[in-house]
Amino acid sequence: DAGVTQSPTHLIKTRGQQVTLRCSPKSGHDTVSWYQQALGQGPQFIFQYYEEEERQRGNFPDRFSGHQFPNYSSELNVNALLLGDSALYLCASSGTGKETQYFGPGTRLLVL
Amino acid sequence: RKEVEQDPGPFNVPEGATVAFNCTYSNSASQSFFWYRQDCRKEPKLLMSVYSSGNEDGRFTAQLNRASQYISLLIRDSKLSDSATYLCVVRDSSYKLIFGSGTRLLVRP
Repeated sequence: DAGVTQSPTHLIKTRGQQVTLRCSPKSGHDTVSWYQQALGQGPQFIFQYYEEEERQRGNFPDRFSGHQFPNYSSELNVNALLLGDSALYLCASSGTGKETQYFGPGTRLLVL
Repeated sequence: RKEVEQDPGPFNVPEGATVAFNCTYSNSASQSFFWYRQDCRKEPKLLMSVYSSGNEDGRFTAQLNRASQYISLLIRDSKLSDSATYLCVVRDSSYKLIFGSGTRLLVRP
């Protein structure tokens, strides 16, 4: 039973570029949440997708957008990258009505 | 004020020691509480949920005090493999998890 998977594992971009990160949820899970974790900090909630809709959003600018596909996988897009977007981006999945979230290994993004 | 506050540590303890971490949260409407463990450069993993009645899982005991908005984690008989960052997490009436910045534990031989 595969857990949450994310791709790519690492990414280097320059300021102003755009990036797309991908996540496949754990088998049987239909809800995907995205978090940003800066060095030395706890993860910060970006948004959550359920039934292909953004169900809730954290305090992140519109440069951060997402999508969920019919197979429940999800993408996180970040436009106009800033140096401060350098972080570990974590995807977490959960089942309908279940509050426990299981995290993927993350994508480490470095913006130069 | 941060929504979830933790002492960043590090807590440096010998093998076999008992160590306790504390956490406070600001939103009295918080509904669910968890401790996650995060190893260096890895993803957070659920250690245990925390209930008002307190709960135990082997060497780990978690307590919740809703009146004081305080959560604790006690680790008995520390092992080298317990070295990690421990994240205090709450969920309010929404769907998002709110994380503390974590408490780092180092267990030495």
